[in-house]
Amino acid sequence: AQSVSQHNHHVILSEAASLELGCNYSYGGTVNLFWYVQYPGQHLQLLLKYFSGDPLVKGIKGFEAEFIKSKFSFNLRKPSVQWSDTAEYFCAVNAGSGYALNFGKGTSLLVTP
Amino acid sequence: SQTIHQWPATLVQPVGSPLSLECTVEGTSNPNLYWYRQAAGRGLQLLFYSVGIGQISSEVPQNLSASRPQDRQFILSSKKLLLSDSGFYLCAWSVPGIYTFGSGTRLTVV
Repeated sequence: AQSVSQHNHHVILSEAASLELGCNYSYGGTVNLFWYVQYPGQHLQLLLKYFSGDPLVKGIKGFEAEFIKSKFSFNLRKPSVQWSDTAEYFCAVNAGSGYALNFGKGTSLLVTP
Repeated sequence: SQTIHQWPATLVQPVGSPLSLECTVEGTSNPNLYWYRQAAGRGLQLLFYSVGIGQISSEVPQNLSASRPQDRQFILSSKKLLLSDSGFYLCAWSVPGIYTFGSGTRLTVV
C-alpha cells in the first residue's frame, strides 16, 4: 500500500541544535513532496515543496529538505533551531495523477530554551 | 485573494446526533476540495475529495458523508455521530501544485 512514514514522532532539542526529520514514501513514479508546519493553535502552513529540478529545496524560516529518489526520502533539516520552531511537522506526498495530499503521522518538535 | 472559510471552529455533540460542517472557498474556480481528519497520534487522514460539483470520492469507509452542492462549497455530514468521530476536521482546496487548508473544526462527541 502507498504510504508516507515519518520516523520520529516526538523530538526534543535545545535551542541552536541542528534538526533533521525523516520522511520516506512508498509511491512509485512521479511524486510531488511537501513539508507543512502547524504551530500551536494555528493553520497548517507550507514550509517547502519539491516538484522537480534541484533536489535540495530551500523553504521558509531557514528550513531545507533534500529529495533522494533512490531512498524514497525527503528529509527536513534546519542547521540551528529556535524556540519558535516548536510545532508539529508533517510530510506529505502527492503521487502521479492523484489529486490529494497523503500525509505522514507528523512529528512533534519541542525546542527548549 | 484566495481564502477558505470553515465553521464552526469548535463543536460538542452528543453521540447519535447529526453533524454538518461547512467549508467555502473564495477567489478560485473549480478547485479540488478535500476533507481531512486529524486524530491524536494519527496524523492527517484523507476522508473525501471532490473534483467537481456533485463528484465525491471516499477514501475511508465510515459513517460520514460529503457533498458538494456548489463549486466552492463542501459539506461534511453524519446522520448519527459515534464517539470515534471525535477529532480535528480540516477542509482544503487545491489547484495544480497549490494546497490551502482551512482553520479546522474541533469536534468532540460526548
